Amino acid sequence: GNSVTQMEGPVTLSEEAFLTINCTYTATGYPSLFWYVQYPGEGLQLLLKATKADDKGSNKGFEATYRKETTSFHLEKGSVQVSDSAVYFCALHGGGGGNKLTFGTGTQLKVEL
Amino acid sequence: DAGITQSPRHKVTETGTPVTLRCHQTENHRYMYWYRQDPGHGLRLIHYSYGVKDTDKGEVSDGYSVSRSKTEDFLLTLESATSSQTSVYFCAISVVAGESDTQYFGPGTRLTVL
Repeated sequence: GNSVTQMEGPVTLSEEAFLTINCTYTATGYPSLFWYVQYPGEGLQLLLKATKADDKGSNKGFEATYRKETTSFHLEKGSVQVSDSAVYFCALHGGGGGNKLTFGTGTQLKVEL
Repeated sequence: DAGITQSPRHKVTETGTPVTLRCHQTENHRYMYWYRQDPGHGLRLIHYSYGVKDTDKGEVSDGYSVSRSKTEDFLLTLESATSSQTSVYFCAISVVAGESDTQYFGPGTRLTVL
């Protein structure tokens, strides 16, 4: 079945540092890939998505490129802010998994001044 | 904002009592989902619905039932709550645009079973 593996957290960075959160997946076919963000005490918000190989999703300075050859969808941001502190979830949809989203376990990001 | 509300937002109950959580959407989306969120597990699908009175099980459906008698409401019932069902529950809807199917989530319900 489908699976998503994310790097363990928490990740602690200083403000303006470069961020990478690794995400790799296992799926058959051609899944769509997503990053969701969860701020403290809130629900999940869609951050970005990519629906086919080599697509780049981007939003709020975050980017991720759908790499089919390495089955990866790593999240990056060039300069993080304290307000980016949250839990980030990588997820996939389709690819033999039906209509459900398959989530990674989440990576907590803490950004300090 | 996909027009999803959940009620209640917080609930504390005792082992063995029945509990019903409600998800309400305002935009007539066909697909609705219930997930639970637990540390170290991400989100896991409990049940989903693909139309009025059409539902199916997810990966962690034991101990849960659902009902959808109208498009806008999707109810999750714990017939006899157990401490292992202490969790945060999220409802989601699918928005289909072309070949893209994207899920949007409600604000969540925090359930504590004592």
